[in-house]
Amino acid sequence: EVQLLESGGGLIQPGGSLRLSCAASGFTFSRYALSWVRQTPGKGLEWVSTIGIGGGNTYYADSVKGRFTISSDNSKNTLYLQMNTLTDEDTAVYYCARGLRWSDYWGQGTLVTVSS
Amino acid sequence: DIQMTQSPSSLSASVGDRVTITCQANHEISIYLNWYQQRPGKAPKLLIYEATNLETGVPARFSGSGSGTAFTFTISSLQSEDFAVYYCHQYSKWPWTFGLGTKVDIK
Repeated sequence: EVQLLESGGGLIQPGGSLRLSCAASGFTFSRYALSWVRQTPGKGLEWVSTIGIGGGNTYYADSVKGRFTISSDNSKNTLYLQMNTLTDEDTAVYYCARGLRWSDYWGQGTLVTVSS
Repeated sequence: DIQMTQSPSSLSASVGDRVTITCQANHEISIYLNWYQQRPGKAPKLLIYEATNLETGVPARFSGSGSGTAFTFTISSLQSEDFAVYYCHQYSKWPWTFGLGTKVDIK
């Protein structure tokens, strides 16, 4: 069974940093692209970042480019999102999702709250 | 960025009704469009990929059509478990973008 389990969310002050993790199981991790998608409470979905198959090419939304870094560790079957210089606009539930052009599996999400 | 305009933003319908949601792109995106369902407190679920393809395990009452800039998502006979928010999503060009969603609730 494919599972994606996010962790690392929490309350962080503006300007702070946080690293999200997404532990994957039930599939060959290195054979899939993976993405982070976020959702502001009560609002819609925003694509954040994608990493290509085997940890190849990376892509970022303009809103996070230069502040967020996506990476993966094939030995640990884990996806990461390093988030720096956080602002209140980054407050959201962050989902990891499997796939490049469409995402057939999603995690349950982890809430990041940026507030003083 | 490619803007995806969904309509309506919300609708009320009864079990058994036919429901149609449209998604308009402000640039040509060929067939590079997906539809997701999101129930309250849950992660999005893939229903339709590449405009018309039904994801494995998704009931056949869901369907998608369109290409270019205009797309349609249809539920042929609404069931109680279909009350949710539906999003279109384009992957023609980075950054990937979503529509704002259509909330389907009970009339």
